[in-house]
Amino acid sequence: DAGVTQSPTHLIKTRGQHVTLRCSPISGHKSVSWYQQVLGQGPQFIFQYYEKEERGRGNFPDRFSARQFPNYSSELNVNALLLGDSALYLCASSLGLYEAFFGQGTRLTVV
Amino acid sequence: DAKTTQPNSMESNEEEPVHLPCNHSTISGTDYIHWYRQLPSQGPEYVIHGLTSNVNNRMASLAIAEDRKSSTLILHRATLRDAAVYYCILFNTGANSKLTFGKGITLSVRP
Repeated sequence: DAGVTQSPTHLIKTRGQHVTLRCSPISGHKSVSWYQQVLGQGPQFIFQYYEKEERGRGNFPDRFSARQFPNYSSELNVNALLLGDSALYLCASSLGLYEAFFGQGTRLTVV
Repeated sequence: DAKTTQPNSMESNEEEPVHLPCNHSTISGTDYIHWYRQLPSQGPEYVIHGLTSNVNNRMASLAIAEDRKSSTLILHRATLRDAAVYYCILFNTGANSKLTFGKGITLSVRP
């Protein structure tokens, strides 16, 4: 059974550009969450979507946005990239309220 | 968000038990105690969770203090593959079901 898949695995962007990261949840999971992990820190919550509706938003600027599609896959968009946006972006899906399954992440480098 | 406190790091010998402590003195009655671990270059992985009673699964055991202000994750026989960052997280099944990660504890396992 496929786990949470994220694409791309690595990405290099220039300051000011826009980026779209993609996530496919485990089949049957309707909840998708996004996290940002900078080097040496734990993951920080960005968004949660459930049944295509935003259920939670972390303390991130409006440059960050996301959406969930009818097939429950999700996209995270970041506009006007800053050097500080360089991080590992993690997607997690869950069936219920407890165990979350994480993907391997997308490593974004902004130069 | 209710906070957890963990030591920065711990070392263990292979095939010996490991006890990873976590303090959560501000825990509320509806907070679940979750543990995740993150192996190098991977996304976090669910380990175990509990509310009041001690819990066991194939990966680990969770011992919860009677006043719930602390807990201990127990790996019964550490292997080299258990070397990871372990996160103790308080999770509330409220409207915003996010995982709030701290820095975690880095477990090193000596052969």
